[in-house]
Amino acid sequence: ETGVTQSPTHLIKTRGQQVTLRCSSQSGHNTVSWYQQALGQGPQFIFQYYREEENGRGNFPPRFSGLQFPNYSSELNVNALELDDSALYLCASSERRRGDNSPLHFGNGTRLTVT
Amino acid sequence: GNSVTQMEGPVTLSEEAFLTINCTYTATGYPSLFWYVQYPGEGLQLLLKATKADDKGSNKGFEATYRKETTSFHLEKGSVQVSDSAVYFCALRHTGNQFYFGTGTSLTVIP
Repeated sequence: ETGVTQSPTHLIKTRGQQVTLRCSSQSGHNTVSWYQQALGQGPQFIFQYYREEENGRGNFPPRFSGLQFPNYSSELNVNALELDDSALYLCASSERRRGDNSPLHFGNGTRLTVT
Repeated sequence: GNSVTQMEGPVTLSEEAFLTINCTYTATGYPSLFWYVQYPGEGLQLLLKATKADDKGSNKGFEATYRKETTSFHLEKGSVQVSDSAVYFCALRHTGNQFYFGTGTSLTVIP
Protein backbone atom coordinates (compact mmCIF):
# COMPACT_ATOMS: atom_id res chain seq x y z
CA GLU A 1 0.00 0.00 0.00
CA THR A 2 1.44 3.34 -1.09
CA GLY A 3 1.13 6.10 1.49
CA VAL A 4 0.55 9.80 1.03
CA THR A 5 3.45 11.52 -0.72
CA GLN A 6 4.05 15.26 -0.91
CA SER A 7 6.43 17.38 -2.97
CA PRO A 8 8.58 19.29 -2.58
CA THR A 9 9.74 18.62 0.97
CA HIS A 10 11.12 22.12 1.45
CA LEU A 11 10.54 25.39 -0.37
CA ILE A 12 11.69 28.97 0.06
CA LYS A 13 9.72 31.78 -1.55
CA THR A 14 9.67 35.55 -1.42
CA ARG A 15 6.73 37.59 -0.18
CA GLY A 16 4.27 38.27 -3.01
CA GLN A 17 5.20 35.18 -5.01
CA GLN A 18 2.95 32.23 -5.78
CA VAL A 19 3.53 28.59 -4.82
CA THR A 20 2.11 25.19 -5.79
CA LEU A 21 2.37 22.18 -3.51
CA ARG A 22 1.57 18.65 -4.66
CA CYS A 23 0.14 15.56 -3.04
CA SER A 24 -0.49 11.98 -4.10
CA SER A 25 -3.14 10.31 -1.98
CA GLN A 26 -2.92 6.86 -0.48
CA SER A 27 -4.07 4.05 -2.73
CA GLY A 28 -7.83 3.55 -2.48
CA HIS A 29 -8.51 6.97 -0.94
CA ASN A 30 -10.85 9.37 -2.73
CA THR A 31 -10.73 12.41 -0.45
CA VAL A 32 -7.85 14.83 0.07
CA SER A 33 -7.57 17.47 2.77
CA TRP A 34 -4.96 20.15 3.28
CA TYR A 35 -3.82 21.47 6.64
CA GLN A 36 -1.49 24.26 7.68
CA GLN A 37 0.68 23.65 10.74
CA ALA A 38 2.45 26.69 12.10
CA LEU A 39 5.48 26.12 14.32
CA GLY A 40 4.44 24.79 17.71
CA GLN A 41 0.77 24.57 16.77
CA GLY A 42 -1.71 21.93 15.75
CA PRO A 43 -2.77 21.56 12.11
CA GLN A 44 -5.46 23.96 10.89
CA PHE A 45 -7.93 22.84 8.23
CA ILE A 46 -7.59 24.68 4.90
CA PHE A 47 -9.99 22.73 2.67
CA GLN A 48 -11.01 19.30 1.45
CA TYR A 49 -11.55 17.90 -2.03
CA TYR A 50 -13.85 15.07 -2.99
CA ARG A 51 -14.69 14.05 -6.55
CA GLU A 52 -12.57 16.93 -7.85
CA GLU A 53 -14.66 19.57 -6.05
CA GLU A 54 -14.02 21.59 -2.93
CA ASN A 55 -16.03 20.00 -0.14
CA GLY A 56 -15.49 22.13 2.93
CA ARG A 57 -13.22 25.05 3.71
CA GLY A 58 -11.64 26.43 6.85
CA ASN A 59 -10.95 30.03 7.75
CA PHE A 60 -8.43 30.77 4.99
CA PRO A 61 -8.60 33.57 2.40
CA PRO A 62 -9.37 32.95 -1.29
CA ARG A 63 -5.70 33.23 -2.23
CA PHE A 64 -5.49 29.67 -0.93
CA SER A 65 -6.93 27.45 -3.66
CA GLY A 66 -6.69 23.86 -4.73
CA LEU A 67 -7.38 21.17 -7.26
CA GLN A 68 -8.07 17.49 -7.19
CA PHE A 69 -7.39 15.37 -10.25
CA PRO A 70 -9.19 12.23 -11.53
CA ASN A 71 -6.49 10.04 -9.98
CA TYR A 72 -7.28 11.74 -6.61
CA SER A 73 -3.95 13.55 -6.45
CA SER A 74 -4.16 17.19 -5.43
CA GLU A 75 -2.49 20.59 -5.54
CA LEU A 76 -2.53 23.46 -3.10
CA ASN A 77 -1.89 26.90 -4.59
CA VAL A 78 -1.14 29.99 -2.57
CA ASN A 79 -1.01 33.40 -4.27
CA ALA A 80 0.50 36.64 -3.00
CA LEU A 81 2.52 34.92 -0.29
CA GLU A 82 2.80 36.60 3.09
CA LEU A 83 5.37 36.05 5.80
CA ASP A 84 2.71 34.41 8.00
CA ASP A 85 2.23 31.72 5.36
CA SER A 86 5.50 30.16 6.52
CA ALA A 87 4.45 26.77 7.90
CA LEU A 88 4.37 23.04 7.35
CA TYR A 89 1.65 22.17 4.85
CA LEU A 90 0.18 18.75 5.36
CA CYS A 91 -1.84 16.74 2.90
CA ALA A 92 -4.07 13.99 4.23
CA SER A 93 -6.16 11.44 2.37
CA SER A 94 -9.07 9.34 3.50
CA GLU A 95 -11.75 7.08 2.11
CA ARG A 96 -15.14 8.72 2.23
CA ARG A 97 -18.04 6.34 2.77
CA ARG A 98 -21.51 6.71 4.22
CA GLY A 99 -21.38 6.69 8.01
CA ASP A 100 -17.64 6.19 7.87
CA ASN A 101 -15.28 7.36 10.57
CA SER A 102 -12.09 6.65 8.72
CA PRO A 103 -9.08 8.57 10.00
CA LEU A 104 -6.85 10.89 8.03
CA HIS A 105 -3.59 9.52 6.64
CA PHE A 106 -0.97 12.23 6.46
CA GLY A 107 2.02 12.83 4.27
CA ASN A 108 5.27 14.16 5.72
CA GLY A 109 4.44 17.67 4.62
CA THR A 110 6.05 20.52 2.71
CA ARG A 111 7.97 23.07 4.77
CA LEU A 112 7.33 26.49 3.21
CA THR A 113 9.44 29.45 4.23
CA VAL A 114 8.45 32.91 3.02
CA THR A 115 11.12 35.62 3.27
CA GLY B 1 -18.10 25.55 17.79
CA ASN B 2 -15.80 22.57 17.80
CA SER B 3 -12.50 22.69 19.64
CA VAL B 4 -9.92 20.57 21.44
CA THR B 5 -7.90 21.57 24.49
CA GLN B 6 -4.77 19.67 25.39
CA MET B 7 -2.52 19.64 28.39
CA GLU B 8 0.35 21.99 27.77
CA GLY B 9 3.84 20.61 27.59
CA PRO B 10 6.57 19.94 27.35
CA VAL B 11 6.41 16.74 29.38
CA THR B 12 9.61 15.00 30.44
CA LEU B 13 9.49 11.50 31.94
CA SER B 14 11.97 8.82 32.85
CA GLU B 15 11.81 5.54 30.98
CA GLU B 16 9.13 3.15 32.37
CA ALA B 17 7.19 6.00 33.99
CA PHE B 18 3.40 6.31 33.65
CA LEU B 19 2.10 8.78 31.08
CA THR B 20 -1.10 10.79 31.03
CA ILE B 21 -1.80 13.54 28.52
CA ASN B 22 -5.11 15.28 29.15
CA CYS B 23 -7.50 16.17 26.34
CA THR B 24 -10.95 17.72 26.56
CA TYR B 25 -13.21 18.70 23.72
CA THR B 26 -16.14 20.93 22.85
CA ALA B 27 -18.58 19.75 20.21
CA THR B 28 -22.27 19.27 19.68
CA GLY B 29 -23.55 15.76 19.24
CA TYR B 30 -21.21 12.81 19.05
CA PRO B 31 -17.83 13.48 17.45
CA SER B 32 -15.22 10.84 16.73
CA LEU B 33 -12.01 11.28 18.73
CA PHE B 34 -8.44 10.58 17.73
CA TRP B 35 -4.86 10.71 18.98
CA TYR B 36 -2.12 11.38 16.46
CA VAL B 37 1.64 11.30 17.01
CA GLN B 38 4.24 13.36 15.16
CA TYR B 39 7.92 12.43 15.15
CA PRO B 40 10.52 15.07 14.23
CA GLY B 41 10.46 15.98 10.54
CA GLU B 42 7.46 13.82 9.79
CA GLY B 43 3.72 14.14 9.28
CA LEU B 44 1.10 12.96 11.74
CA GLN B 45 0.46 9.26 12.28
CA LEU B 46 -2.75 7.87 13.70
CA LEU B 47 -2.15 6.38 17.14
CA LEU B 48 -5.69 5.39 18.16
CA LYS B 49 -9.32 6.38 17.79
CA ALA B 50 -12.76 6.02 19.39
CA THR B 51 -16.03 6.66 17.63
CA LYS B 52 -18.64 6.58 20.41
CA ALA B 53 -19.04 7.14 24.11
CA ASP B 54 -17.28 4.63 26.40
CA ASP B 55 -15.22 3.24 23.50
CA LYS B 56 -11.58 2.58 24.37
CA GLY B 57 -8.99 3.04 21.66
CA SER B 58 -5.65 1.29 22.09
CA ASN B 59 -2.42 0.80 20.17
CA LYS B 60 1.25 0.14 21.04
CA GLY B 61 0.49 0.20 24.76
CA PHE B 62 -1.34 3.54 24.57
CA GLU B 63 -5.00 3.78 25.58
CA ALA B 64 -7.69 6.45 25.65
CA THR B 65 -11.37 6.19 26.65
CA TYR B 66 -14.11 8.36 25.15
CA ARG B 67 -15.86 9.95 28.16
CA LYS B 68 -18.91 11.90 27.08
CA GLU B 69 -19.89 12.90 30.62
CA THR B 70 -16.58 14.73 31.08
CA THR B 71 -16.00 15.47 27.35
CA SER B 72 -12.53 13.97 27.67
CA PHE B 73 -10.22 11.59 25.81
CA HIS B 74 -7.09 11.38 27.95
CA LEU B 75 -4.10 9.45 26.57
CA GLU B 76 -2.35 6.98 28.90
CA LYS B 77 0.53 4.55 28.77
CA GLY B 78 1.70 2.44 31.66
CA SER B 79 5.43 2.37 30.87
CA VAL B 80 6.95 4.80 28.38
CA GLN B 81 10.05 4.17 26.32
CA VAL B 82 12.62 6.51 24.82
CA SER B 83 11.14 5.76 21.39
CA ASP B 84 7.82 7.31 22.53
CA SER B 85 9.43 10.77 22.48
CA ALA B 86 7.31 12.79 20.04
CA VAL B 87 4.53 15.38 19.89
CA TYR B 88 1.02 14.05 20.57
CA PHE B 89 -2.12 15.65 19.14
CA CYS B 90 -5.68 15.08 20.24
CA ALA B 91 -8.29 15.63 17.52
CA LEU B 92 -12.00 15.39 16.88
CA ARG B 93 -14.09 14.99 13.78
CA HIS B 94 -17.67 16.05 13.84
CA THR B 95 -19.71 16.33 10.66
CA GLY B 96 -18.03 15.98 7.33
CA ASN B 97 -14.37 15.21 7.24
CA GLN B 98 -12.91 18.28 8.93
CA PHE B 99 -10.65 17.48 11.86
CA TYR B 100 -10.03 19.86 14.75
CA PHE B 101 -6.65 19.46 16.43
CA GLY B 102 -5.30 20.51 19.78
CA THR B 103 -2.03 22.43 19.98
CA GLY B 104 0.00 19.31 20.71
CA THR B 105 1.93 18.04 23.74
CA SER B 106 5.63 17.40 23.42
CA LEU B 107 6.88 14.32 25.27
CA THR B 108 10.53 13.57 25.98
CA VAL B 109 11.47 10.28 27.63
CA ILE B 110 14.93 10.09 29.15
CA PRO B 111 16.79 6.81 29.79
